[in-house]
Amino acid sequence: DIQMTQSPSSLSASVRDRVTITCRASQSINTYLNWYQQKPGKAPKVLIYAASSLQSGVPSRFSGSGSGTNFTLTISSLQPEDFATYYCQQSYRTSTFGQGTKLEIK
Amino acid sequence: EVQLVESGGGLVKPGESLRLSCAGSGFTFSGYSMNWVRQAPGKGLEWVSSISPRGDYIHYADSVKGRFTISRDNAKNSLYLQVNSLRAEDTAVYYCVRDSGRSSYYFDYWGQGTLVTVSS
Repeated sequence: DIQMTQSPSSLSASVRDRVTITCRASQSINTYLNWYQQKPGKAPKVLIYAASSLQSGVPSRFSGSGSGTNFTLTISSLQPEDFATYYCQQSYRTSTFGQGTKLEIK
Repeated sequence: EVQLVESGGGLVKPGESLRLSCAGSGFTFSGYSMNWVRQAPGKGLEWVSSISPRGDYIHYADSVKGRFTISRDNAKNSLYLQVNSLRAEDTAVYYCVRDSGRSSYYFDYWGQGTLVTVSS
């Protein structure tokens, strides 16, 4: 099975900060890497698919990069509505999620 | 508008069974792979199972293999998850999730979830 490791597990930041979350796969997954945002009590929502493609309707402050085993999600200027938990997901072989990164207000 | 509505969750005792259902609407259900993803209280997301559009390719997470069975009825636009031999660690919100159908395989629509609680 492919394991996904996110870091950090939690992060405190302020509005307008630039934030980066990383995700590492236990083996190469090409660019089969997706990022989701989840707010409390809600279902997750896809932000980025295929490592760097922005899902329709998602603000351009979100971006993704990487290939192989190392990936990043960057939020260029945090907005109040961005405080949530973020998950990476590999879709190279079935599916596996990272453990999540909780982004909190500093 | 794409909608996925789960039902069938509830409180059960260890060892018991449940059948979860998901009704899809607003899209051509038979054209998409579907998945179940679960989330234990306060924990992260865990992919559980997937089924291809015609039901001929099925995959399970190791944690549920042999106890859970995914199925679909395209005539009824419905997805199912038969969950047997339930354990306390199966307690979670179970989400019905659509695969985007794109070559990159991401989950583009999620239901609101149905809660399964396993407790004696």
